[in-house]
Amino acid sequence: GENVEQHPSTLSVQEGDSAVIKCTYSDSASNYFPWYKQELGKGPQLIIDIRSNVGEKKDQRIAVTLNKTAKHFSLHITETQPEDSAVYFCAAIPGDYKLSFGAGTTVTVRA
Amino acid sequence: KAGVTQTPRYLIKTRGQQVTLSCSPISGHRSVSWYQQTPGQGLQFLFEYFSETQRNKGNFPGRFSGRQFSNSRSEMNVSTLELGDSALYLCASSWVGGGGTEQYFGPGTRLTVT
Repeated sequence: GENVEQHPSTLSVQEGDSAVIKCTYSDSASNYFPWYKQELGKGPQLIIDIRSNVGEKKDQRIAVTLNKTAKHFSLHITETQPEDSAVYFCAAIPGDYKLSFGAGTTVTVRA
Repeated sequence: KAGVTQTPRYLIKTRGQQVTLSCSPISGHRSVSWYQQTPGQGLQFLFEYFSETQRNKGNFPGRFSGRQFSNSRSEMNVSTLELGDSALYLCASSWVGGGGTEQYFGPGTRLTVT
């Protein structure tokens, strides 16, 4: 099955700085890579996703890049704000229907 | 459009009991997936239902089961509860499921087994 590794496990940034989270996947059949943000007491919220036929996607302060050859994808958050503090999960879907998640990154934005 | 709803939000059960959790997907969504979230194991896939049929299953024992109704609402059942079943149980809905389809999560049901 798919194995997704996520780094770092914790990330502390100064407000206004950028945050980068990296994930690698094992199954070359994976073709969809969503990112989720989970705040305390809530379910994961889909914030951005990328498909295997695209190398980069941007939505305001959030961007995701995908390198299929190296089997890794990254989340970039620019101009971080206190409300960006949360746990972020990357995920991948191979040929079946199961989302395989990374272990999560706890992001803390210091004011 | 209303999001994914899960009931109840919190449950406390005793070892050996059974429990049923409910999930109502976003209107129009036909696929419902269930996940278990624990601090030690993270987010793990339980199973996925589409048009009342279980289409995929994760690596959980047979004590974990589910079903889906004709209105796409889904339930999951855990029998003979163990302490290790304490977790946040999340359901996610999507239009048709399958690879490459966005999944939207509910708030989860927090199950505590004592």
